[in-house]
Amino acid sequence: AQSVAQPEDQVNVAEGNPLTVKCTYSVSGNPYLFWYVQYPNRGLQFLLKYITGDNLVKGSYGFEAEFNKSQTSFHLKKPSALVSDSALYFCAVRDTGRRALTFGSGTRLQVQP
Amino acid sequence: GAVVSQHPSWVICKSGTSVKIECRSLDFQATTMFWYRQFPKQSLMLMATSNEGSKATYEQGVEKDKFLINHASLTLSTLTVTSAHPEDSSFYICSASWGGGEGPNQPQHFGDGTRLSIL
Repeated sequence: AQSVAQPEDQVNVAEGNPLTVKCTYSVSGNPYLFWYVQYPNRGLQFLLKYITGDNLVKGSYGFEAEFNKSQTSFHLKKPSALVSDSALYFCAVRDTGRRALTFGSGTRLQVQP
Repeated sequence: GAVVSQHPSWVICKSGTSVKIECRSLDFQATTMFWYRQFPKQSLMLMATSNEGSKATYEQGVEKDKFLINHASLTLSTLTVTSAHPEDSSFYICSASWGGGEGPNQPQHFGDGTRLSIL
């Protein structure tokens, strides 16, 4: 069975500083990895995905993520955080042959001015 | 871009009533829709996968008779919570994708969710 782990419930960072939100995964086949962001009382917005190719994936709003097969990780990063980045971030994985996503527990990002 | 509309966004009702939540794909045909449930400060849990014109596939532990899913057209799926009770209170989110096959590039687009409160 596939699973996703987000070890941090919350990440605090000062505006302008780089941020990292961690994610590790476990799948039986090739991993298809996604990051989504959720604002209060809203659905999820797609940020980026890794299917194949370059390990560094660039996405929306200046976010990027690095796929590391040996460490089974897919950490979300941004060089310079904004207060407006404060939200709940979910890492998700889709295993080969399964359309539905398995989500991590979510990490709340708090960017302080 | 692809837009998924979910309605209503918030509903409060008495215990014992049934509540219907609609999920519409506004500018694309959704061959597959997914229904998730999210508890406060928790992740999304997949409830069921809905394919147009066929019965929904429910995840283990989800009561089929409690959560009725209908995907009658390529743009509409509905989730009906029957005889709702306070423990059914939650945030329900739908997502939709299109295209055939099992390709990983099929995008999922999410609705804004429905907050259900049962008194």
